[in-house]
Amino acid sequence: QQQVKQSPQSLIVQKGGISIINCAYENTAFDYFPWYQQFPGKGPALLIAIRPDVSEKKEGRFTISFNKSAKQFSLHIMDSQPGDSATYFCAAVSGNTPLVFGKGTRLSVIA
Amino acid sequence: NAGVMQNPRHLVRRRGQEARLRCSPMKGHSHVYWYRQLPEEGLKFMVYLQKENIIDESGMPKERFSAEFPKEGPSILRIQQVVRGDSAAYFCASSPPFGGAGIFGPGTRLTVL
Repeated sequence: QQQVKQSPQSLIVQKGGISIINCAYENTAFDYFPWYQQFPGKGPALLIAIRPDVSEKKEGRFTISFNKSAKQFSLHIMDSQPGDSATYFCAAVSGNTPLVFGKGTRLSVIA
Repeated sequence: NAGVMQNPRHLVRRRGQEARLRCSPMKGHSHVYWYRQLPEEGLKFMVYLQKENIIDESGMPKERFSAEFPKEGPSILRIQQVVRGDSAAYFCASSPPFGGAGIFGPGTRLTVL
């Protein structure tokens, strides 16, 4: 019930392409869905987040799509750049309970 | 606002020693969470604290590990009698009273020799 399943485990995208990472959850009590970006040797940085009453949220090149009925959400990175190469984690949370993380996706953007 | 601060950033201990990791949450944040990340793995929840209270310690090993968040000062994660398997990055995150996504610190990388 507390799991968040993330795919793919790794992703290689050409510069300028679209990177898509998918997550699915089971617990309908989750009410906030953040994405984190982590570079090697650094802490996770909050990238973008969405609440379940919204189907899409866009910030610059980053978009979250949310499908409440399917209990799925995804991160789209438009015009992917080599500087986007990092590990991305989706997460889900309910109120003040601890974040439940997906296992992460290692993105490599190649020129 | 300096964000979430953790120290030390790197800590080397020999087997059997104690490790103390400190976390100062963001100003205005009253909830602190500790996570552990092994190399090439995701983040595993360890413990959730508010001032002077442990709210959820379900992810923390029952032996050798303890955590506190005193009324004054930083939150501390303490590992007694460290073993090589404790080598990992330990991250602290904080969130405001109304919840939401946590803001992470830069982590403490513990190496046990």
